[in-house]
Amino acid sequence: EAGVAQSPRYKIIEKRQSVAFWCNPISGHATLYWYQQILGQGPKLLIQFQNNGVVDDSQLPKDRFSAERLKGVDSTLKIQPAKLEDSAVYLCASRFQGGEKLFFGSGTQLSVL
Amino acid sequence: DQQVKQNSPSLSVQEGRISILNCDYTNSMFDYFLWYKKYPAEGPTFLISISSIKDKNEDGRFTVFLNKSAKHLSLHIVPSQPGDSAVYFCAVTYQGGKLIFGQGTELSVKP
Repeated sequence: EAGVAQSPRYKIIEKRQSVAFWCNPISGHATLYWYQQILGQGPKLLIQFQNNGVVDDSQLPKDRFSAERLKGVDSTLKIQPAKLEDSAVYLCASRFQGGEKLFFGSGTQLSVL
Repeated sequence: DQQVKQNSPSLSVQEGRISILNCDYTNSMFDYFLWYKKYPAEGPTFLISISSIKDKNEDGRFTVFLNKSAKHLSLHIVPSQPGDSAVYFCAVTYQGGKLIFGQGTELSVKP
């Protein structure tokens, strides 16, 4: 069974530029999550989707971050414009309906210079 | 306001001995308690979980203990192996599958 796929693996941009990350969850997983992990901290939830609807985006900085999950499968997370403090690993995860485990992708490491 | 706390940023253990990783939480309404393991440049991988209605769950060398009265969770690894060296996150689920993570404990198992 294929895992959660994310791209790109690494991205370096300058502040005020824009960037987008892509995620393809495990087939059949209705719930998709985006987490931000800053160095030395645990992952922090940014947004949770159930199929193509948003369940929770209370922690998403909506002035610069946006996310969509068209057709309830893959998802993109965008930052525009980026700030220095956005440097982090962005993790995508998915979950099967009724399960307690989240399955994570390898993440995208973003450096904002 | 941190709902899940791992107060030890690092732990060093000799190969073959027991590793004990600890986690404290604040909300008694959490449904499941999980441990994830993370190697550098990889995403977290699920290790073991326990339901809020149980107090112990075992899987091979890994055992998780839940003390609800103390709001405390621990992971025991016996015996510890060098390949267990990684960052360990405890996490809790609530409200339809949201996962809240602690800050992580970096375990180093020395040969």
